[in-house]
Amino acid sequence: QVQLVESGGGLVKPGGSLRLSCVASGFTFSDYYMAWVRQAPGKGLEWVSYIGGDGTTIYHTDFVEGRFTISRDNAKNSLYLQMNSLRPEDTAVYYCVREGRIWNSLDYWGQGTLVTVSS
Amino acid sequence: DIQMTQSPSSLSASVGDRVTITCRASQSIGMYLHWYQQKPGKAPKLLIYSASSLQSGVPPRFSGSGSGTDFTLTITSLQPEDFATYHCQQSYDSPRTFGQGTKVEF
Repeated sequence: QVQLVESGGGLVKPGGSLRLSCVASGFTFSDYYMAWVRQAPGKGLEWVSYIGGDGTTIYHTDFVEGRFTISRDNAKNSLYLQMNSLRPEDTAVYYCVREGRIWNSLDYWGQGTLVTVSS
Repeated sequence: DIQMTQSPSSLSASVGDRVTITCRASQSIGMYLHWYQQKPGKAPKLLIYSASSLQSGVPPRFSGSGSGTDFTLTITSLQPEDFATYHCQQSYDSPRTFGQGTKVEF
């Protein structure tokens, strides 16, 4: 069955960096777009970035552009999010998500990893 | 960016009730509209994709309708396990965007 397991979250000071990882299993990883979606405490869902199956198509939302970088290693079935210049408003649970191939729905989600940005 | 507006933001209901949640897009998105259910402390789960297609394993009391800019999620005969927050999301364009969520509570 499809599994997505995130890691790498934690407490970081404003201006600091973190690298989130997500290991996928149960499907042909390189066939799918993958995304990161976040949820601040008590707030709604916020889509952050996606990356195409071969890694050449990438999109970041405006609020992370220039600070976050999504990448993938298909040989390791892994998705990454490098987060630099972190701000308190980046505090959230970050979910690794698979985007379905036909209608681009988010059909499988990881359990999430919490990132807390605080001094 | 395409703005997604859900209503209501919360609602009170009882077991057995019929519940309707609406989602409006700021421009036409065809049928690129999906619904997710999220329980406290858990990851969201896909319920309905392309406006009206039920994801595998989702009970048939859930249904979706609409196209263009106006969409509806309906739960017929609400069950105890359905008390949760529901989110709509468009995948017509990037960035993908979500509604603000609708909390269904007692």
